Amino acid sequence: QLQLQESGSGLVKPSQTLSLTCAVSGGSISSGGYSWSWIRQPPGKGLEWIGYIYHSGSTYYNPSLKSRVTISVDRSKNQFSLKLSSVTAADTAVYYCARDHNRDGYNSWGQGTLVTVSS
Amino acid sequence: QSVLTQPPSASGTPGQRVTISCSGSSSNIGSNTVNWYQQLPGTAPKLLIYSNNQRPSGVPDRFSGSKSGTSASLAISGLQSEDEADYYCAAWDDSLNGPYVFGTGTKVTVL
Repeated sequence: QLQLQESGSGLVKPSQTLSLTCAVSGGSISSGGYSWSWIRQPPGKGLEWIGYIYHSGSTYYNPSLKSRVTISVDRSKNQFSLKLSSVTAADTAVYYCARDHNRDGYNSWGQGTLVTVSS
Repeated sequence: QSVLTQPPSASGTPGQRVTISCSGSSSNIGSNTVNWYQQLPGTAPKLLIYSNNQRPSGVPDRFSGSKSGTSASLAISGLQSEDEADYYCAAWDDSLNGPYVFGTGTKVTVL
């Protein structure tokens, strides 16, 4: 069974870069038809899609975050990563990694990791 | 900046039927399929409905989805206490809003 596990710094200073990694087990990140995404949820608020990297390596980002976001994949470690630059308090959220198959929705999620932006 | 609009709350007594609406536009619901997610307190979202009306394995048939034009609905029949959660619709979006957008979310309370 596929499992996703987020890891990274839980506290980031304003203007710095948030970095998170999602380790994938129980399946290959290179399998065709899948996209690997980051989704976040500010405390007490709704879900916001950040972006995804397709199995081919193509990336697509939320236009509102595009200038600050980079999603990359490390196939040797079967994991993918998120970098969000120039963070502010508004970037404080629980960050989830998730997998979609053929645009049929995200049926596998990590447990989520809280990232707080504060000095 | 959710582009799919849902009512903030819905409620019902055990056994009742509850319906949640999701309003979008031609670039998302109007031209792509709709997904629904259930988020229990303190947990990650769970895919409840995909492709407008399909249930993943393990999702009770009490949950059903439908789509018409630029709107979609989720119905919960035979409401149970464990259905108390937040529900989000979502869809791929072909405009500059995209590629994937979530609804504003609906809190379902079992009275």
